[in-house]
Amino acid sequence: DAGVTQSPTHLIKTRGQQVTLRCSPKSGHDTVSWYQQALGQGPQFIFQYYEEEERQRGNFPDRFSGHQFPNYSSELNVNALLLGDSALYLCASSSLREGADTQYFGPGTRLTVL
Amino acid sequence: AQKITQTQPGMFVQEKEAVTLDCTYDTSDPSYGLFWYKQPSSGEMIFLIYQGSYDQQNATEGRYSLNFQKARKSANLVISASQLGDSAMYFCAMRNFGNEKLTFGTGTRLTIIP
Repeated sequence: DAGVTQSPTHLIKTRGQQVTLRCSPKSGHDTVSWYQQALGQGPQFIFQYYEEEERQRGNFPDRFSGHQFPNYSSELNVNALLLGDSALYLCASSSLREGADTQYFGPGTRLTVL
Repeated sequence: AQKITQTQPGMFVQEKEAVTLDCTYDTSDPSYGLFWYKQPSSGEMIFLIYQGSYDQQNATEGRYSLNFQKARKSANLVISASQLGDSAMYFCAMRNFGNEKLTFGTGTRLTIIP
């Protein structure tokens, strides 16, 4: 049973650039949530996608956008990168269709902005 | 608004001893779920245990149990017979039903001493 996968593992960008992070949900899951975890803190909710639409959004600027594909995989895009965007980006999947409450996380993508 | 408080930044425990990690929460919603995740140095958030607000019994999963005291709004994680592999960051999180985001605490770093 394949778990949540994310790519790439690590990424280094410079200020002002754009980045795309990718996530494949756990087998059987239809919902993907994205979180940002700054060093020494707990994860912060960015947004959630279900049926290819953004279902809910956290307190993040419009520079953060996403997409969900028909196969339930998802992308997180961040434009005009700032130094403060350096963090571990975690993707979590769940099954909204089955009403299952638990979100399962991937290994994360560590983004460094120079 | 929902809030999670973890007051123990770090804990050191002897191998094979039991350990309790503290978590208090705040919400005005009567329907919610409480979660504990383990985050090793690799970064992946590993789901450990779940407790629903209407569950009558405390949740247990192997060596993990959740001491749920609803009136005190606490959801402490108990790890029995600790092992060296238990060394990691531990996060308490909650989700109000009808709200998709998980809200995390700041975490507790647990170190198991041989």
